[in-house]
This record gives sequence, structure tokens and C-alpha cells, in this order.
Amino acid sequence: NAGVTQTPKFRVLKTGQSMTLLCAQDMNHEYMYWYRQDPGMGLRLIHYSVGEGTTAKGEVPDGYNVSRLKKQNFLLGLESAAPSQTSVYFCASRLAGDLLNEQFFGPGTRLTVL
Amino acid sequence: EDQVTQSPEALRLQEGESSSLNCSYTVSGLRGLFWYRQDPGKGPEFLFTLYSAGEEKEKERLKATLTKKESFLHITAPKPEDSATYLCAVQAFQGAQKLVFGQGTRLTINP
Repeated sequence: NAGVTQTPKFRVLKTGQSMTLLCAQDMNHEYMYWYRQDPGMGLRLIHYSVGEGTTAKGEVPDGYNVSRLKKQNFLLGLESAAPSQTSVYFCASRLAGDLLNEQFFGPGTRLTVL
Repeated sequence: EDQVTQSPEALRLQEGESSSLNCSYTVSGLRGLFWYRQDPGKGPEFLFTLYSAGEEKEKERLKATLTKKESFLHITAPKPEDSATYLCAVQAFQGAQKLVFGQGTRLTINP
């Protein structure tokens, strides 16, 4: 049982380049989330999904797109990277049903945009 | 707007020296408050969920408590392996799919 995995672990981009971050979970969780973590600011929600084929905006969605084509995968895309998107990105997932089920987090992707 | 503020930002203790971390929150109807532990270079790891004022939960040397305005994470006789960043998050009734996180308290336990 791998839990939540994220690919890649590290990435360096130039301004204007695009990339996709992949999150996969093997716990059959319905809900999945993408966060960014910046020094002194805590984790901020970018986008989330309550099921396959559905996505919704979080607190800081601008500059990002997401897709949930399969229940176990949640992709985060940057179409034109900017230095302000330098951050550590975390994916999380949780069971549906009880809204207070805890979120399980992946190990993170450290992204640097030059 | 829901907000979570944690204090102090950083705390350095000697092994065995007990202390408390604070999480103050403002939320339009609290559904639950979560505590997570985060080690350097890793994702947050779930510790506790608290549902209502007066509730307490314990795990090894950690005890979390909740009032109507804040939560405390008490650390009793800490060991160096308790060194980590501790994150607090709230879930409101409105927008209940989301967690709002504080900025965390970085705890260092010196041997």
C-alpha cells in the first residue's frame, strides 16, 4: 500500500514553460486535493476534486489547471510557469462519507521557476 | 473569512521540558479542527481531529485540547524525535471539503 505518491519529486522550470504534476493514490479515496506550501504562509488549497471527472477551485487557483480522469489520479498543470509559482506542492486524498475524515498527504514536489 | 494563527512560530526546548503550542482560529461554524505533524522534506502526517469545545485527545507525549476560540497541543516530557513542524487546520460547515491551515510551529527538542 503506497498511499499517496507524487511525481516528480523535484523540478526546475524556466519562466513560460509548462509542466504537469502527477498525484496517485491507491486507497480508493474519492476526494483529492492540491496544495502549495510557502514559507510563513502555511498550506493553501489550489484545486480539489470530490470524484472522478469533477474539479473545483480552491483558495489560489490562478495559473493552474487540474484534471481527474481516473479516480486514483489527480493532475496539476502549469501552462506558463511564473517565478511566483516556485513552491512545494502537496497532494492529499481522503475518504468520502464522514466530512471529518483526515486527509492523507503525499511527499511533495519541490518546484523552482527561474 | 476563516483564519488560523499559530504561535509561537518556532520553539526550542530541552529534552524533558514540557510546553504548549497554540492555534487560534476564527471560522463561521467549526466542523472540526485537525493537528498534523510535518517532518522536513515530507508531507504532513495526521495526528488528531477535535470536534467540539472541551474535547481532548492524547497520543504518546501529545495532548490536544479545544475551546471555542483556540486549540492547544501540549507536549509532555518531549524527546528529540518530537522535533517537527506542527500544523493546525480548521474545517468549517460551509465549504466543508476544505481545510484552512495555520502557518505552523517549528518545534526543536535538544538532547
